[in-house]
Amino acid sequence: DAGVIQSPRHEVTEMGQEVTLRCKPISGHDYLFWYRQTMMRGLELLIYFNNNVPIDDSGMPEDRFSAKMPNASFSTLKIQPSEPRDSAVYFCASMAQETEAFFGQGTRLTVV
Amino acid sequence: GEDVEQSLFLSVREGDSSVINCTYTDSSSTYLYWYKQEPGAGLQLLTYIFSNMDMKQDQRLTVLLNKKDKHLSLRIADTQTGDSAIYFCAESGAGNMLTFGGGTRLMVKP
Repeated sequence: DAGVIQSPRHEVTEMGQEVTLRCKPISGHDYLFWYRQTMMRGLELLIYFNNNVPIDDSGMPEDRFSAKMPNASFSTLKIQPSEPRDSAVYFCASMAQETEAFFGQGTRLTVV
Repeated sequence: GEDVEQSLFLSVREGDSSVINCTYTDSSSTYLYWYKQEPGAGLQLLTYIFSNMDMKQDQRLTVLLNKKDKHLSLRIADTQTGDSAIYFCAESGAGNMLTFGGGTRLMVKP
């Protein structure tokens, strides 16, 4: 397996635009996590899914953020409209039951 | 809520041992993890320890867990310049949710 795959690796967008980040988890993993990493706040859990169902989205900062997992092999994190303070590295991770999480390489988002 | 805390920065000389410390609050944590993040890369699992263990050794890495004090440490023996990175402590709590510390930046001087 190629590991957790995120795309794009880098995204630069203008304020107000919609941004969609993508994640392909490791096959067979039934948990998927979205994290955001900033210098000020460190690593924050935004939302996680179990068997494609959102379990806890209390970390999602605002209604501008939404995440979906239409099937076991794909998830998206969407920001609409984007703002400069959303600039961060966004990580996706997947995990099988009671094992460690595997992280993607991250998407560096810059909103100008 | 759960909280995981780490010191921000550690500087050591090449060849010395490094000890990175972490405290957590969730007494129901099942596993505790150490992740390494190199510049521009994702997090890589270094090692983990089950909550009923108090020590785990893996080559140059030693993890110590004091469950009573909710204290976890990572010792890197014979630290090398390639060990320079940010190290994250994490605990798995209810629902397999991972809670991360803020990360400790390890700088290894030649």
